[in-house]
Amino acid sequence: VQLVESGGGLVKPGGSLRLSCAASGFSFSDYYMTWIRQAPGKGLEWVGYISGDGNTLAYGDSVKGRLTVSRDNAKNSLYLQINSLRAEDTALYYCARWGPRGYSGYDPFDYWGQGTLVAVSS
Amino acid sequence: SSELTQDPGVTVALGQTVSITCQGDSLRSYYASWYQQKPGQAPVLVLYGRNNRPSGIPDRFSGSSSGNTSSLTITGAQAEDEAAYYCQSRGRSINHLVFGGGTKLTVL
Repeated sequence: VQLVESGGGLVKPGGSLRLSCAASGFSFSDYYMTWIRQAPGKGLEWVGYISGDGNTLAYGDSVKGRLTVSRDNAKNSLYLQINSLRAEDTALYYCARWGPRGYSGYDPFDYWGQGTLVAVSS
Repeated sequence: SSELTQDPGVTVALGQTVSITCQGDSLRSYYASWYQQKPGQAPVLVLYGRNNRPSGIPDRFSGSSSGNTSSLTITGAQAEDEAAYYCQSRGRSINHLVFGGGTKLTVL
């Protein structure tokens, strides 16, 4: 299993960014996937998840309305669209594999990528 | 504020046993998962479910749960166990996920 994030960078406040996570080594469409972020020197924050078929999504309260999780199973790729970027969105963004059953199961986040850094500054 | 509460820091002497706790209402219904994060590295799953370790995680890592508290116990802590540990479970609803604030483990 391998997860590789990309798309991070320096963005001005109010801007937008699309992060990608390329997955390999497993049947991507069978798994819920999730995004987790970590601000510099801070703890982990769950951002959002998406079901294997893309029909079930949920978001953390601090990002709801500005972030959109999506996936392309044909490309084995997960995405995170971030709009109206704020300074507090500055963080390392990780994608992680959840389980096939998502919130209806008891699976952990068993594989993580190395993260992609988003910095929001004028 | 996090819906899962962890002590910010815990210290253990080399070779001794240490428990890291995680408290939250959701833990009465759901198990916690535990992740280890060393500086500059991505988190790694070390424990999940009732007391399950992924392949490659030493058996000195174990877990338990009682009421609203889940615990990660390291029996015979090693220098390489020095890291931040995060618990994770459900939040205010079944489809809402949350992490604890993290516990920095120092091994002396």
